[in-house]
Amino acid sequence: GAVVSQHPSRVICKSGTSVKIECRSLDFQATTMFWYRQFPKQSLMLMATSNEGSKATYEQGVEKDKFLINHASLTLSTLTVTSAHPEDSSFYICSAQGQGQYFGPGTRLTVT
Amino acid sequence: GENVEQHPSTLSVQEGDSAVIKCTYSDSASNYFPWYKQELGKGPQLIIDIRSNVGEKKDQRIAVTLNKTAKHFSLHITETQPEDSAVYFCAALTSNTNAGKSTFGDGTTLTVKP
Repeated sequence: GAVVSQHPSRVICKSGTSVKIECRSLDFQATTMFWYRQFPKQSLMLMATSNEGSKATYEQGVEKDKFLINHASLTLSTLTVTSAHPEDSSFYICSAQGQGQYFGPGTRLTVT
Repeated sequence: GENVEQHPSTLSVQEGDSAVIKCTYSDSASNYFPWYKQELGKGPQLIIDIRSNVGEKKDQRIAVTLNKTAKHFSLHITETQPEDSAVYFCAALTSNTNAGKSTFGDGTTLTVKP
């Protein structure tokens, strides 16, 4: 139980385009999901907290217009990186709140 | 806000030995302390957790201890195996239902040498 999936696992896009990453809780409902960014050999940096049916809460320094988050259902949250630039290249990880906090497998984004 | 410090940043042990990773936290209101294992290129996996009303919890070769007075908690792995090699993160959060933002430590890279 408590499985969280992410899609895609890897994506390469050109600078200026937008990329959508999906996060799904497969066997439980998650009112709250979190989006993290992780740089190589570093800890997880919380970007935003996503609550079903309401606007996401962004951490200080995270541009909400650049990282659009939608949590339309209790099992799905999406992160859209708009007008991506090479500096947005990173490992993006979501987590869903069930009995504990369960993480997805991550999405490696490379912007060329 | 909460601040979590994790030590050591790297740890190398011989297969079969024990490994101990320690974390300290600053917010005395924190009441839930999970540990995650992250393998290369994957998301973190919850391996064990402990609540503030418990001093120790064990699951096979893994145990976690909590000292609320000193505000520190530790992960103990016994009889280590090469597949235990990974990055381990501790976290602390304040919640009655596990919901809420976790504050993570900086991670410990554990290497188990065969």
